[in-house]
Amino acid sequence: NAGVTQTPKFQVLKTGQSMTLQCAQDMNHEYMSWYRQDPGMGLRLIHYSVGAGITDQGEVPNGYNVSRSTTEDFPLRLLSAAPSQTSVYFCASSYSTGQVIYEQYFGPGTRLTVT
Amino acid sequence: TQLLEQSPQFLSIQEGENLTVYCNSSSVFSSLQWYRQEPGEGPVLLVTVVTGGEVKKLKRLTFQFGDARKDSSLHITAAQTGDTGLYLCAGEDNYGQNFVFGPGTRLSVLP
Repeated sequence: NAGVTQTPKFQVLKTGQSMTLQCAQDMNHEYMSWYRQDPGMGLRLIHYSVGAGITDQGEVPNGYNVSRSTTEDFPLRLLSAAPSQTSVYFCASSYSTGQVIYEQYFGPGTRLTVT
Repeated sequence: TQLLEQSPQFLSIQEGENLTVYCNSSSVFSSLQWYRQEPGEGPVLLVTVVTGGEVKKLKRLTFQFGDARKDSSLHITAAQTGDTGLYLCAGEDNYGQNFVFGPGTRLSVLP
């Protein structure tokens, strides 16, 4: 199993450009999520999905779109990049252990710089 | 909004020393997870605690969930250089669908 994979590893964008961060998992997990990590702020939830065709907003959704057409893939789209979106982005997938506990598995991250 | 605080923010110790880091909130969480993150990588789950007062041990790491399920601690005995990293706690919200992360404790264990 590859686990959770993310591409690209690094990306530089100019203000106003759009792009898609890719995330895929091969563990058949129903739950997937996107976080951003900024210095001193931990991880903040952007969007999440509890299954194919279902997505919802997290704590910081503005400027980002997601879709979930398959169980495996959960791409994150930046509509019009802004310098405030400079961050490290992590995708995670989860399953329930039977007690409604979500053991999260994280990808290696995408480091995005917006100039 | 449920928030988690972690202390200390930074900790630098010598190999062999013991240490405790804390994760606190004014909110009750259904469960709480601890992760370790190394530079350039994603967080890796260490443990999940579910029951108030629960204690879990993972080799030299001891995790405790507060009786009221609002706080947790991580104790490391005889720290090693390989313990260096960012330690994050994450609380499961009451809907069972999202986790709130603390800002982390950055631990440096010196040889």
